This record gives sequence, C-alpha cells and structure tokens, in this order.
Amino acid sequence: EDQVTQSPEALRLQEGESSSLNCSYTVSGLRGLFWYRQDPGKGPEFLFTLYSAGEEKEKERLKATLTKKESFLHITAPKPEDSATYLCAVQAGYSGGGADGLTFGKGTHLIIQP
Amino acid sequence: DSGVTQTPKHLITATGQRVTLRCSPRSGDLSVYWYQQSLDQGLQFLIQYYNGEERAKGNILERFSAQQFPDLHSELNLSSLELGDSALYFCASSVKLTGNTEAFFGQGTRLTVV
Repeated sequence: EDQVTQSPEALRLQEGESSSLNCSYTVSGLRGLFWYRQDPGKGPEFLFTLYSAGEEKEKERLKATLTKKESFLHITAPKPEDSATYLCAVQAGYSGGGADGLTFGKGTHLIIQP
Repeated sequence: DSGVTQTPKHLITATGQRVTLRCSPRSGDLSVYWYQQSLDQGLQFLIQYYNGEERAKGNILERFSAQQFPDLHSELNLSSLELGDSALYFCASSVKLTGNTEAFFGQGTRLTVV
C-alpha cells in the first residue's frame, strides 16, 4: 500500500526564517511526486512535480527536491503570505485499481509570523 | 483560479438523503478525479473518469457513485448519507490519462450532514 508521511505536522516560523518540510514515501514504483499548497477552505493549488531522484524544482521562495525515499520542500526567507498547508502526494507507477489517483500525506500546516 | 468549477459550494442535508455534486473540468481536460477531505483522514482519492469511462477506483463507498458525461462534466452521487460523510469533496482534472501529469483542483463542495 502506498504511504506518504509528512513532518512536521505544524511549523511556526518568523518572517525571513528559512526551513524545510519533509515528505517520506513508500510506493510501488514512483511515477511522480507532487507538492500542493492549500489555503483554508480552498482547493489544493499545484506547485511542483518531481519525477526522479536528484531532481530539483524552484518557484519563487520554494524549492522542492527528491530522493529515493523522501522529498523536501525548502522555504527560503518566507513571508506571511506563504502561510498555508503544504501537501505532498505520490502517483504510483502501476495502472488500475486506484493507481492513477494521488495518495496524499496529511500535510504540514505552516504559519509565518511577521 | 484553476479553471475547475464545482457546484454547489456548500450543501447541508439530513441523514438518509441523497445529493449530487457537480464538476466542470478545465477546458481540454479529459480526466476527472474525485477526492474526499476530512479532518482525520486527509485527502482521499475516490474515483477517476477518463473521457466518459471509469478509469480507477480508490476508497469509494458503495453508497457513492459517479459518472462523466459526453461534455466531460462529472457528477458525484452520494446516497443514504451518514453523519460521517460530512467533508469537503474536491474534483480535479488533468489532460492525460496516464504518464506524468498534474491535476488541478476545484474549490470544493462542503457537505454537512445533520
């Protein structure tokens, strides 16, 4: 069974204080690892897809990296508007039986204080 | 705005009732996914349709069913509702059936069963 574990569950940072969020996964053949941002009462907003170990992607203050067992979302000099829940999800490499749907972690609730 | 439209935004109904949630995917997207998000379970994949046909099933109860119409919009039908069905229901869409692809989420329907 595919599993995704995110840590920490919650993180409070001061504005400008850089940190990293962790996503550990177990999947039968990784097709892709996805990061989403979710604001309260809203739908998840797509951030990144990573396909293979060693891959990195950046967007503004966010950088996502991938190894064979985990992914990190690095946040550099965050601002209050970066406050949200960050979700990690995996898509397995086999077909059928729910495999095309994403398996999500429970997320990291990030608060950036001014 | 992701381009995925869900209606209604909020729904309050009584136990034992049946409701229908509607989703219009992004223009050009053939694949539609339904997810359920509750506080304790996080985001759970329910079912996927591609170009009108069921493609994959996740943790969908037998009381729930879905379909995708020729114009590609999709409906999720929930029947014999129970208090535990109260949750946010999200629809997501993507272009490809398989392969590495990003799914874009709607704003969700908040279902409250009383």
